[in-house]
Amino acid sequence: DTEVTQTPKHLVMGMTNKKSLKCEQHMGHRAMYWYKQKAKKPPELMFVYSYEKLSINESVPSRFSPECPNSSLLNLHLHALQPEDSALYLCASRQEDMGLAGGNEQFFGPGTRLTVL
Amino acid sequence: AQSVAQPEDQVNVAEGNPLTVKCTYSVSGNPYLFWYVQYPNRGLQFLLKYITGDNLVKGSYGFEAEFNKSQTSFHLKKPSALVSDSALYFCAVRDAKAAGNKLTFGGGTRVLVKP
Repeated sequence: DTEVTQTPKHLVMGMTNKKSLKCEQHMGHRAMYWYKQKAKKPPELMFVYSYEKLSINESVPSRFSPECPNSSLLNLHLHALQPEDSALYLCASRQEDMGLAGGNEQFFGPGTRLTVL
Repeated sequence: AQSVAQPEDQVNVAEGNPLTVKCTYSVSGNPYLFWYVQYPNRGLQFLLKYITGDNLVKGSYGFEAEFNKSQTSFHLKKPSALVSDSALYFCAVRDAKAAGNKLTFGGGTRVLVKP
């Protein structure tokens, strides 16, 4: 299995709703990422988990809450979002390897298209 | 700090003609360089990478890229473009000395291959 899966594919939510995005990989990768991507723009890094521990938070507002329950799963909990949070949310994973820690590529999921009304 | 520049927002090419997508980078240490492609409403798909070794890197779908340290460039090339190559292409860099696992992406180049 060489893919990253994300659910749901599409999500529409109101500003008072609570929802969660889910990401899963079974490649044994120990680094997992959340990105936000606006149309025709590059992905913006939000969070990085390494060995199930949060290693990078790019000053993301607290209305986004990541969770890594185990080495295969990554969640992004959403609460009280704003319309400007509407975007494609991408999950990625990467093999952590001491010898090539920087050289391994990230594998991306298809994304969740989020619309906040 | 690390940064990437893709100077062209869009590249238009006729099917069968060579395709080049430009990328220049800036890092303080040695670079790890990557190319990704994104089709509409899809995630990013890895094409190729330069870590060390030969400056000419071959990747998926007939793409290749040449690492040029003196010009700090990593241009993506394909000898004969297909209509199906029409997509958004991102160059990305990671400084080998940088802490963490952060990739920095260029702004993206839209490629349009016309029949």
